[in-house]
Amino acid sequence: NAGVTQTPKFRVLKTGQSMTLLCAQDMNHEYMYWYRQDPGMGLRLIHYSVGEGTTAKGEVPDGYNVSRLKKQNFLLGLESAAPSQTSVYFCASSYSGGWTEAFFGQGTRLTVV
Amino acid sequence: RKEVEQDPGPFNVPEGATVAFNCTYSNSASQSFFWYRQDCRKEPKLLMSVYSSGNEDGRFTAQLNRASQYISLLIRDSKLSDSATYLCVVIGNYGQNFVFGPGTRLSVLP
Repeated sequence: NAGVTQTPKFRVLKTGQSMTLLCAQDMNHEYMYWYRQDPGMGLRLIHYSVGEGTTAKGEVPDGYNVSRLKKQNFLLGLESAAPSQTSVYFCASSYSGGWTEAFFGQGTRLTVV
Repeated sequence: RKEVEQDPGPFNVPEGATVAFNCTYSNSASQSFFWYRQDCRKEPKLLMSVYSSGNEDGRFTAQLNRASQYISLLIRDSKLSDSATYLCVVIGNYGQNFVFGPGTRLSVLP
């Protein structure tokens, strides 16, 4: 019953530090996504993947990198964190892209000080 | 113009009221539409898909007007448990990803 699992749930970083957010799904979905959610801005797509070994840029990719080495995992990296990256990050997966339901993880609350 | 726009809200309605949310989208080529619900500090979850002919699920009715590029969600007989933010979602980028509206917050009051 796991669905989509994100780790960690909370994190505080200092400006300039790096970190990796992990997303794991057990539904054998091809498509995976990373969104950030900020007040008044809604969910904005950072990067996404249409299958193992593939990645693509979304609406707000700058300052982030991703990797999809295994089908079930999608990693989001921040190389040098900035206060503007303070946000709630959601990972999602879907079976057939935008044609089927997206399942979300519980989110990661990241604060960069 | 944003790709997906929604009523700014918030909507504060009494229990039992009927409330309607509106959404407009800019990409006329969009083919797939959804309403998601997001509770405070939780992840979004699918409420219902929106079909061309309109569809109903219990107290919820979704309508699509392709000519006007407009989607609506009607909630009848509002319950306290309907309090949440409702997100309009449109398929984007040749079906590869989802584009979310900013959301409309609903508070159902006793």
